Parts: sequence; structure tokens; C-alpha cells
Amino acid sequence: AQSVTQPDIHITVSEGASLELRCNYSYGATPYLFWYVQSPGQGLQLLLKYFSGDTLVQGIKGFEAEFKRSQSSFNLRKPSVHWSDAAEYFCAVGTYSSASKIIFGSGTRLSIRP
Amino acid sequence: EPEVTQTPSHQVTQMGQEVILRCVPISNHLYFYWYRQILGQKVEFLVSFYNNEISEKSEIFDDQFSVERPDGSNFTLKIRSTKLEDSAMYFCASRAGTSGTDTQYFGPGTRLTVL
Repeated sequence: AQSVTQPDIHITVSEGASLELRCNYSYGATPYLFWYVQSPGQGLQLLLKYFSGDTLVQGIKGFEAEFKRSQSSFNLRKPSVHWSDAAEYFCAVGTYSSASKIIFGSGTRLSIRP
Repeated sequence: EPEVTQTPSHQVTQMGQEVILRCVPISNHLYFYWYRQILGQKVEFLVSFYNNEISEKSEIFDDQFSVERPDGSNFTLKIRSTKLEDSAMYFCASRAGTSGTDTQYFGPGTRLTVL
């Protein structure tokens, strides 16, 4: 069965510092992978997605993620975080079912230290 | 930029009551979804809807739940007899459907509180 693991429940980084959020997936074929962000009281916004091709994908707000098949990972990175990046981040895998449902990880809450 | 909208933003109901959560997907999108997020837990898939019928549903989506596209713009989720454990944030999503890799766009959610 497909699954997504985000091992870090809560991360705090200083403003201006670099960030890496970890994500591991379990899927039988080449996965569709996503990172979504959820700000307090807001919906889910797509940061970036990977389907095929270049394993380093660029997203909005200066985020990037790297797909590593050998490690079943899709970690999210940002070289310098801003206070506005404080939010909940969800890694997700898309399925090949006709419905193309998305399976989410449990999320990582990011706090920014001034 | 087109967006998915949901109403109401917050719904409070008594246990056993029926609720209808409403969503307006992005125009011209073909696939529609409902997900839910119980407080402190992960976002879970409930149901997908295409061509006026359910294409897939999770084990959570039991007989108490139903979905409908009553007209060309709205997509609704009905819970017939709410339980305390139905308290959650419910997200609607839609995608164009022209490709399996289309992005799902999520609405802001409806927070359902069952008392």
C-alpha cells in the first residue's frame, strides 16, 4: 500500500537559515510526489510536484525538492527561510488509480525563530 | 487565478443532525474530491467524483456520507447523521482531468464541529 512518512513532527529554524524537511514514500511504481503547505486557517497550497524527468524540482516561494529513488525520498529544501514560511508542510504521493487520489503524510510544522 | 471555494467556513451541528458542505470547484475541471483532516492528524482521502458518479471512495466514506453535483457548479458532501468523530476540517479539491498528472487544487476547507 502507498504511504508517506514525515519523520519530523515539528522543526524550528532561525530566520535566514536553511531548511530541509524530510519525506519518505512507499509506492510500487514511479510515484507522483507533491509538497503542499498549509498556513494557519488556510487551505492546502501546492508548492511543487514531481512526475518524471529532472529529479530536482523547483517550486514557488523559493522551495525546491529532490527525488531520490534509491532512498525513496523527496526532501523539501529552502536556502533561506523567511518568517512567513511558518506553516504546516505536507508531503504527498499521487496514486495511479483512476481517481488519482492523493495520500498525505502526517505533516511537519515549521516554526521560525526571529 | 481560479480557485476552489467552500461554504461555510465553519459549521457547528448537534450529533445526529444532517449537514451539507458545499464546494464550487474550478470551472471546467472534471474530477472532484473530498478529503478530511481530523485535528492533529493527516489529511485523508474520502471520495472522488467524475462524470456524475463516485469513481473511488475510502473505507471512511460509509453509508452516512453522500456526494452530489446538483448543478453545473456546486459539489456537495452530505453527512446524514453526524457523529462526534465527524468533527474535522473538510477539504474539497478539483483537477482538470486532462492528464493523470494534473494538479489537484484545494479549497480553504470547512471546519465541522459536532457537539
